[in-house]
Amino acid sequence: AQSVTQLDSQVPVFEEAPVELRCNYSSSVSVYLFWYVQYPNQGLQLLLKYLSGSTLVKGINGFEAEFNKSQTSFHLRKPSVHISDTAEYFCAVSDRSSTLTFGKGTMLLVSP
Amino acid sequence: DTEVTQTPKHLVMGMTNKKSLKCEQHMGHRAMYWYKQKAKKPPELMFVYSYEKLSINESVPSRFSPECPNSSLLNLHLHALQPEDSALYLCASSQGPGLSHEQYFGPGTRLTVT
Repeated sequence: AQSVTQLDSQVPVFEEAPVELRCNYSSSVSVYLFWYVQYPNQGLQLLLKYLSGSTLVKGINGFEAEFNKSQTSFHLRKPSVHISDTAEYFCAVSDRSSTLTFGKGTMLLVSP
Repeated sequence: DTEVTQTPKHLVMGMTNKKSLKCEQHMGHRAMYWYKQKAKKPPELMFVYSYEKLSINESVPSRFSPECPNSSLLNLHLHALQPEDSALYLCASSQGPGLSHEQYFGPGTRLTVT
């Protein structure tokens, strides 16, 4: 069984400030890790993914994440956020079955 | 083209109605998924079709009936729903089990049961 923990349900931040959204996972097998973003009244959009290889993964919209196997973490970062980054962010884990297990989500609130 | 389309965008139905949600992808993906998402919650997996066969049913009530007519289409037939079934219904697709693990999501159908 696998699970994902997003410790922060909401992260408020000012525009142009850096942000980190935390994600920890547990799994008994090798996993694949994802971050999805959901803007209001929309579906989920893939931000980035870790399948193998380099532990630092770059995604769309200036986001990046680092896979840390020893700490079982996959935190999402952005050096400078914009108002338009306001959205719900979901961390997800998949095993070989390709089904996704989602965290509860973190609402990123960017204010001017 | 990494687009998954869903129709309709919004649906209001009574508890005695029968309606269907439609999902379509043209990426050649062989796995398709239905999720239910309540407000401020993550998506919950309902069904998985793999190579046009139902491979996972997450103990979903029989008032939800999935159908995969071909590799590009996925339907969700709705009958005798309850108000608590009101939610955003998301469709997703991926290359297939063991091939690729990222899923591409459609914009969803906002369902309201009255």
